[in-house]
Amino acid sequence: ETGVTQTPRHLVMGMTNKKSLKCEQHLGHNAMYWYKQSAKKPLELMFVYNFKEQTENNSVPSRFSPECPNSSHLFLHLHTLQPEDSALYLCASSQGERGGSSQYFGPGTRLLVL
Amino acid sequence: DAKTTQPPSMDCAEGRAANLPCNHSTISGNEYVYWYRQIHSQGPQYIIHGLKNNETNEMASLIITEDRKSSTLILPHATLRDTAVYYCIVNSYDKVIFGPGTSLSVIP
Repeated sequence: ETGVTQTPRHLVMGMTNKKSLKCEQHLGHNAMYWYKQSAKKPLELMFVYNFKEQTENNSVPSRFSPECPNSSHLFLHLHTLQPEDSALYLCASSQGERGGSSQYFGPGTRLLVL
Repeated sequence: DAKTTQPPSMDCAEGRAANLPCNHSTISGNEYVYWYRQIHSQGPQYIIHGLKNNETNEMASLIITEDRKSSTLILPHATLRDTAVYYCIVNSYDKVIFGPGTSLSVIP
């Protein structure tokens, strides 16, 4: 238990569906992240939020829309996804300090797009 | 791109020390060395980090060379549950760039 929870843990959706992934951290951290991990590939950073403000968008397609209503919650809204978007989506949080900032990851949401 | 180089895979006998090397020859003065691991299909787990000095915690030890161009993660008594992909990362801010890591197999 890392203090970062993600729901749902598994999700199957069609290409025309709209769904949302939720992440919540109970660590009092100020920064939150979304990562994508495709099969047999390294983690890819998608978005970074510091104090609810988006500070990084790593050229992510607009069919992925993040939302950070407060420093404890992070959402990833999904719409009109493609089969190649099937992956493990990981949320993480950190204190947000420069330099020594350990990230704590949630268990991930395994997404399958049909 | 990841700033580190790690061997793609390693084996270690159960109960022995696992020494995982990492090269980071372009590391700059304010960048930390971090280690994470990812057990199959789970989220990555933070292990340890350091700047210049060697570090030890309940999970592992981190040895950083004097020139900071390489480091070694040491799991003193590897168990089967330590089988995972181990990532060595350098970062100076919150951005964490993961490379392919080292797949460690602990063998009974």
